[in-house]
Amino acid sequence: GDSVTQMEGPVTLSEEAFLTINCTYTATGYPSLFWYVQYPGEGLQLLLKATKADDKGSNKGFEATYRKETTSFHLEKGSVQVSDSAVYFCALSDDPGGYQKVTFGTGTKLQVIP
Amino acid sequence: DTEVTQTPKHLVMGMTNKKSLKCEQHMGHRAMYWYKQKAKKPPELMFVYSYEKLSINESVPSRFSPECPNSSLLNLHLHALQPEDSALYLCASSQEGGLSVEKLFFGSGTQLSVL
Repeated sequence: GDSVTQMEGPVTLSEEAFLTINCTYTATGYPSLFWYVQYPGEGLQLLLKATKADDKGSNKGFEATYRKETTSFHLEKGSVQVSDSAVYFCALSDDPGGYQKVTFGTGTKLQVIP
Repeated sequence: DTEVTQTPKHLVMGMTNKKSLKCEQHMGHRAMYWYKQKAKKPPELMFVYSYEKLSINESVPSRFSPECPNSSLLNLHLHALQPEDSALYLCASSQEGGLSVEKLFFGSGTQLSVL
């Protein structure tokens, strides 16, 4: 079945540091890939997505590129802020039958210190 | 309106209680979902409703009973829960997309504690 593997956290960075959170996946077919962010006490919010190979998703300074050859979708940001502290989930989705079956990774907690 | 609203935000119940979680969206989405999220774990899919019909039940125990009274509302009825059922329960919705891929819209969840 489908699966998502992402790096364990927590990841602790100083403000303005460069961020990479690794994510690799296994799937049959051609899934869409997502990064979701969860701030403390809240539900998940879609951060960015990519629907086919070589697509780059980007939002709020975060980027991730769908790499089919390495089955990866690593999240990057050039300069993190304290407000980026949250848990980040990599996820994939196929779309059988018109609904979304999303498989999530285990989440990576990011802590940004001033 | 691009929100999924869940009530209550917090719920404490005993093992003999009956309670319900509610979820509402007014985006015209025709698929709605219940997820369960334990602390420091990813969300786990419980149920999917598509066009108000139950499409997926991920082998969830019968003490959890979903209900979709109409296309905007999704309930989760709880009865005789166990302490290990304590978790954050997330509702989500999505546009029926067919070949198009749409994102899930999540509510902020109900934090459930079973004593």
